Amino acid sequence: EVQLVQSGAEVKKPGESLKISCKGSGYSFTTYWIAWVRQMPGKGLEWMGIIYPGDSDTRYSPSFQGQVTISADKSISTAYLQWNRLEASDTAMYYCARVDPDYYFDSWGQGTLVTVSS
Amino acid sequence: DIVMTQSPDSLAVSLGERATINCRSSQSILYRSNNKNYLAWYQQKPGQPPKLLISWASSRKSGVPDRFSGSGSGTDFTLTISSLQAEDVAVYYCQQYYTTLPYSFGQGTKLEIK
Repeated sequence: EVQLVQSGAEVKKPGESLKISCKGSGYSFTTYWIAWVRQMPGKGLEWMGIIYPGDSDTRYSPSFQGQVTISADKSISTAYLQWNRLEASDTAMYYCARVDPDYYFDSWGQGTLVTVSS
Repeated sequence: DIVMTQSPDSLAVSLGERATINCRSSQSILYRSNNKNYLAWYQQKPGQPPKLLISWASSRKSGVPDRFSGSGSGTDFTLTISSLQAEDVAVYYCQQYYTTLPYSFGQGTKLEIK
């Protein structure tokens, strides 16, 4: 069974850094892209970027380029989403999703809630 | 970039009745060489992550009840729930994957029981 298990909820202050994770299991982690998707409180889904864990090829949405860093460690089947300096506007639920070879998102993690507040 | 627009934003339907959600893309997402529409539908129940229901505009994912169906081609698409059940209360999103940089989702349609 394909599973994506994300790290737990985080509460941070503005200006702090953060790295959240997404661990894949039940499939070949290195041969599927992983996407990250933001959902702000009460809002819709926004695609942030994708990474191919096999070679760490990474693509970003223009809206998120330079704001976050996506990485992966294929040795432990884990993808990451990282901020250097959080802002209150980063408060949201963040989902990782496996990207089917045909490019739709076929499995999703349970989500990581990030709250940024002073 | 391809913009996806759903209608309506919210919808209330009686149990057992038909629910219809529309999705329009700002350009065609039909790839002529394989005659496939690069359109997916997702269901997000309260407090849960999204779940893939349909890909290629009309292909139900294994395990999805057959009361869910997708149709349309080119720029206009529809998700239909033939007989609404209580467990179908959710927000539904369409997504184009014709151009993956960037992917784009519709704004979502909230489906409730009347």
